[in-house]
Amino acid sequence: QSALTQPASVSGSPGQSITISCTGTSSDIGTYIYVSWYQQHPGKAPRLILYNVSIRPSGVSNRFSGSKSGNTASLTVSGLQAEDEADYYCCSYTTSSTVVFGGGTKLTVL
Amino acid sequence: EVQLVESGGGLVQPGGSLRLSCEASGFSFSTNWMHWVRQVPGKGLVWVSCINPVGSIISYADSVKGRFTISRDNAKNTLYLQMNSLRDDDTAVYYCAPADHDWGQGILVTVSS
Repeated sequence: QSALTQPASVSGSPGQSITISCTGTSSDIGTYIYVSWYQQHPGKAPRLILYNVSIRPSGVSNRFSGSKSGNTASLTVSGLQAEDEADYYCCSYTTSSTVVFGGGTKLTVL
Repeated sequence: EVQLVESGGGLVQPGGSLRLSCEASGFSFSTNWMHWVRQVPGKGLVWVSCINPVGSIISYADSVKGRFTISRDNAKNTLYLQMNSLRDDDTAVYYCAPADHDWGQGILVTVSS
């Protein structure tokens, strides 16, 4: 199972919005709503910020939103803040009953 | 508040075995799919294995199939990962990961002679 494809890095200025794409195939993102996004700050455990494409767990800012179209899922962070600078990972359930992660995207707040 | 306490990691020689445990609280463990995910420091997340709530559906990444065994004890709210025939490239931080919830802090497994 190949990893989902994410851009290695994205950047934006405070207050702006950015979008991170996550491209899979018809065997994963294209078939299931079970797409999640995780935020990871250096030295910390990953934190769940979205599941089932667009559902935010309790306590996660509404500045984080998600969507899916075809084989590609997207994470949008609006009103960028310095604390949003982190690595972001997408993952999806697959038709092989496994899970696959993206390679991760480093978000830099300029 | 979700709490996951991993234990059982450490240093082991190539070919050796370790058993990771993850004690869960703060959510309905017995109704959640559970996963193990690993991460080499400085690298990305890699899915290792998952188990459904009753333990009847289990999957593994190809890299660990035949060497690792996932299991759970819902009476003890505990997830396990038995790791045999360990190799250098199994060295990583291992995370206990409930579906749709935050993860534990992770536990380091180092395979080295």
